[in-house]
Amino acid sequence: GAVVSQHPSWVICKSGTSVKIECRSLDFQATTMFWYRQFPKQSLMLMATSNEGSKATYEQGVEKDKFLINHASLTLSTLTVTSAHPEDSSFYICSARTGGSPVETQYFGPGTRLLVL
Amino acid sequence: GQNIDQPTEMTATEGAIVQINCTYQTSGFNGLFWYQQHAGEAPTFLSYNVLDGLEEKGRFSSFLSRSKGYSYLLLKELQMKDSASYLCAAMDSNYQLIWGAGTKLIIKP
Repeated sequence: GAVVSQHPSWVICKSGTSVKIECRSLDFQATTMFWYRQFPKQSLMLMATSNEGSKATYEQGVEKDKFLINHASLTLSTLTVTSAHPEDSSFYICSARTGGSPVETQYFGPGTRLLVL
Repeated sequence: GQNIDQPTEMTATEGAIVQINCTYQTSGFNGLFWYQQHAGEAPTFLSYNVLDGLEEKGRFSSFLSRSKGYSYLLLKELQMKDSASYLCAAMDSNYQLIWGAGTKLIIKP
């Protein structure tokens, strides 16, 4: 149980284009999903917390107009990197919380590796 | 400020035991998580401790001391597939996870 999928797993795009990443909870309903970014040999950096049906809460320093998050249903959240630039190249990982309690475990998707040329 | 400290890298021998330590300083505390992350992959959940003491789960055990702001992950009967990074994360009073930088564990035959 508690399987989270992400699509695509790899993206290579040109600078200036937009990229959409999907995160799905496959066998449970996720009222809360999280988007992380991880640079090589660094820890996870939380970008935003996404609650179904409401606006995402962004961490300090994360541009909400650049990283658009939509949590349209209890099983799907999307992250759109708008006008991507080479510095946005990173490993993007989503996670979903299995229950309504905030101390519930987060289960991670397999990640999306983005390379902006 | 909030902070998690864990060693950057550790090396151990196949079949042996290794203990990965983690100290934390957070505003409030709602539990301590350990995750395993293989290179190029997303983290997978290993354990959650919110009460003091040792929780054993097969070859892996996790310990918590809230008064000391300290946790460790104990791996027994090490296998080559245990080579990975181990992430410690503490949950603060706002239920935010504060992540450590991870400990890269290298297993040698």
